[in-house]
Amino acid sequence: DTGVSQDPRHKITKRGQNVTFRCDPISEHNRLYWYRQTLGQGPEFLTYFQNEAQLEKSRLLSDRFSAERPKGSFSTLEIQRTEQGDSAMYLCASSETGTVSNQPQHFGDGTRLSIL
Amino acid sequence: AQSVTQLGSHVSVSEGALVLLRCNYSSSVPPYLFWYVQYPNQGLQLLLKYTTGATLVKGINGFEAEFKKSETSFHLTKPSAHMSDAAEYFCAVRGSQGNLIFGKGTKLSVKP
Repeated sequence: DTGVSQDPRHKITKRGQNVTFRCDPISEHNRLYWYRQTLGQGPEFLTYFQNEAQLEKSRLLSDRFSAERPKGSFSTLEIQRTEQGDSAMYLCASSETGTVSNQPQHFGDGTRLSIL
Repeated sequence: AQSVTQLGSHVSVSEGALVLLRCNYSSSVPPYLFWYVQYPNQGLQLLLKYTTGATLVKGINGFEAEFKKSETSFHLTKPSAHMSDAAEYFCAVRGSQGNLIFGKGTKLSVKP
């Protein structure tokens, strides 16, 4: 079990630029979640995938955000035309399908995005 | 809709003292509850979970939590704090889509 891997760990960019983050879940996990965590807050749900299908998107996921999981393995989260308010830690988590409510989510170490 | 409230954004205890971190939940369905710990610049690590069955749940690192339906609470405790317990702790409830709904977190400080 190599754990959930996220890349990069840190990203600094200028306002208006596009950024893309990658998440590699635990290999046998079918479900993949993206969360956003701002300073002093708990993580907030953005979206999730069951295999390659994106099944739910939060209202927090504006049209500047897009997530993909093309082959049901790794996932990418892209933010276009970044804004100051996008500065946050972006966390990825994965879990087995099974009985959904019983399966714990395993988190990566996150990507910290800073907008200049 | 589900929600979680963590009482106290900061808790400070002495090494060896009891740790008590409070969490109250709101849920229209039987809740599935979790406690996670987060160290600086890291992701979240699962401490323990409650789904069904025994209401006293034991987790890693000596932590435990008790589900009390009548009080809608799921407080986290540890009999004796260690310096290594200093971190931020998040209580969460499972949402309708399998996502987690987190509280705002409680930062635990441990004094020598």
